[in-house]
Amino acid sequence: AQKVTQAQTEISVVEKEDVTLDCVYETRDTTYYLFWYKQPPSGELVFLIRRNSFDEQNEISGRYSWNFQKSTSSFNFTITASQVVDSAVYFCALSEAKDSNYQLIWGAGTKLIIKP
Amino acid sequence: DVKVTQSSRYLVKRTGEKVFLECVQDMDHENMFWYRQDPGLGLRLIYFSYDVKMKEKGDIPEGYSVSREKKERFSLILESASTNQTSMYLCASSYDRDPRREQYFGPGTRLTVT
Repeated sequence: AQKVTQAQTEISVVEKEDVTLDCVYETRDTTYYLFWYKQPPSGELVFLIRRNSFDEQNEISGRYSWNFQKSTSSFNFTITASQVVDSAVYFCALSEAKDSNYQLIWGAGTKLIIKP
Repeated sequence: DVKVTQSSRYLVKRTGEKVFLECVQDMDHENMFWYRQDPGLGLRLIYFSYDVKMKEKGDIPEGYSVSREKKERFSLILESASTNQTSMYLCASSYDRDPRREQYFGPGTRLTVT
């Protein structure tokens, strides 16, 4: 069965520190997609990135970077030089291409607190 | 930009009341979703709809029903609200049934049932 595990319930760091949010997934499909979403205190989830199972290149976007490793079934998210505005709950999610009625399988989320 | 709006940010209802949560998206998306979010449990799918008048049960449909009479509007109905339905309810939409599509979310409705 599909599953997404975000083992870190809450992380607290001081501003400007680097922080990595872990995401481990389980799937039997060979074609699947991984996502990260951010939920700031305002409540509205915002899409950050999608990764295809056949593309293991790491991605960098400004201070954000994502490390996708199929060998360990992980899709970790690193924020470099964290800022207070990065404080949010971050969700990792998985979708499979097995049928057209796809659903996202969500992790429980990691609450990130950046202290000034 | 895609806009997903929900009828209320906060709602307080009494046990046994019928509750309607409304969601509207303005980008002609085919798919719409209702989730509930509880601490430590992430997002759990209640129902989704991939077309007008079509609906599919998610992981936790018990106690809920939905209605999609128009493409842009997806309503969640609690027939007889109970205290265990106190939660944050999130509506989302996506362009179509492609599993690569990201979902766009509304701001959420925090429902308290007393």
